[in-house]
Amino acid sequence: QITLKESGPTLVKPTQTLTLTCTFSGFSLSTSGVGVGWIRQPPGKALEWLALIYWDDDKRYSPSLKSRLTITKDTSKNQVVLTMTNMDPVDTATYYCAHGGYVEMATTKWAFDYWGQGTLVTVSS
Amino acid sequence: DIQMTQSPSSLSASVGDRVTITCRASQSISSYLNWYQQKPGKAPKLLIYAASSLQSGVPSRFSGSGSGTDFTLTISSLQPEDFATYYCQQSYSTPSPFTFGPGTKVDIK
Repeated sequence: QITLKESGPTLVKPTQTLTLTCTFSGFSLSTSGVGVGWIRQPPGKALEWLALIYWDDDKRYSPSLKSRLTITKDTSKNQVVLTMTNMDPVDTATYYCAHGGYVEMATTKWAFDYWGQGTLVTVSS
Repeated sequence: DIQMTQSPSSLSASVGDRVTITCRASQSISSYLNWYQQKPGKAPKLLIYAASSLQSGVPSRFSGSGSGTDFTLTISSLQPEDFATYYCQQSYSTPSPFTFGPGTKVDIK
């Protein structure tokens, strides 16, 4: 079965760079049509999509955060890494990674169907 | 960028009630619309994809409809385990193809 788990620091200081790792099993990120995304959720607030990396190494970023984000994959280790620079207290959130894929043949309809448990990152001095 | 809105933002309902949640996109997204359920302290769970297709393992009391800009999630008979927050998400546009709606919280009346 597909599982994902996020790891990384629970506390970062303002201006620091956050590095989160998503370690997954049950699928290969070299399989066509598959991707891993990052989504965050500030306490008590809504979900916000951050980034996605596709099986072919294509990448998409949220336009509002694009300058601060980098997503990479290590297919041999079954890991996806997200870095976010210049962290601020407003970036305090639970960060999720999720497996996604095309859900309808011959379209680009996409959904995130398996999620990690999430990791809470607090930004504070 | 495409903006997603949901109504209502919250609702109170009783077990057995029929519940309808609406999601609206700021421009047409065809049927590139998913619905997720999130319970407190848990990760979201995919319920409906492509506007009306039921994800495997999801009870049939959940259904989705709509196309273009207006979409609906319906729970035909609310069960105790359905009290949660529901989010819609579009997967249509680039460069920001995965915008979520603000959520609708369903709690017990």
